[in-house]
Amino acid sequence: GIQVEQSPPDLILQEGANSTLRCNFSDSVNNLQWFHQNPWGQLINLFYIPSGTKQNGRLSATTVATERYSLLYISSSQTTDSGVYFCAVEEAAGNKLTFGGGTRVLVKP
Amino acid sequence: GAVVSQHPSRVICKSGTSVKIECRSLDFQATTMFWYRQFPKKSLMLMATSNEGSKATYEQGVEKDKFLINHASLTLSTLTVTSAHPEDSSFYICSARDFRPGGPSGANVLTFGAGSRLTVL
Repeated sequence: GIQVEQSPPDLILQEGANSTLRCNFSDSVNNLQWFHQNPWGQLINLFYIPSGTKQNGRLSATTVATERYSLLYISSSQTTDSGVYFCAVEEAAGNKLTFGGGTRVLVKP
Repeated sequence: GAVVSQHPSRVICKSGTSVKIECRSLDFQATTMFWYRQFPKKSLMLMATSNEGSKATYEQGVEKDKFLINHASLTLSTLTVTSAHPEDSSFYICSARDFRPGGPSGANVLTFGAGSRLTVL
């Protein structure tokens, strides 16, 4: 099956800093989503981005499908950005999301 | 947007008992739902794909007799953990897709329930 790798596994930021999270995947995909999991476990969909670039407030994401990676940018980080960020992909021939290992982000005040 | 409701959010049971977790799509119909399991500080692992009106498709290594899945309607899938043991303690999360062929961009988005934390004593 498809492999999904996220980096870095852990990230500590000072409030106000910018950061980039990376997601590499091993095969063609027809769906890629970025999620934020809050401390209570709820997965919040941030972006549906199988290709191209999208922005939503301080967050933006870019997927380069031909090179099999996606990036999530967090600008002017806030303590509420803390949590785990997951990238999940759906293979072109599949019907299910496979998750990466996640990036655990801690934003310090 | 699409909303997926999951119940109960938290359950504690004794070893040997069975526990049922419900997953409902509130404002859309879902022919397919997915059940994931998450251990502490780990990623989500797909357990099975729940198909309305037919048998679930289980991932390799998941015991179908231990984790019974029923998808009796287009808005409800249930996961029953049978004869639960402490090693079954985990966070279970369901998801569904509000898929409309030919629909607007983003109609393929998978929405997740809030999860159910199971503790088996």
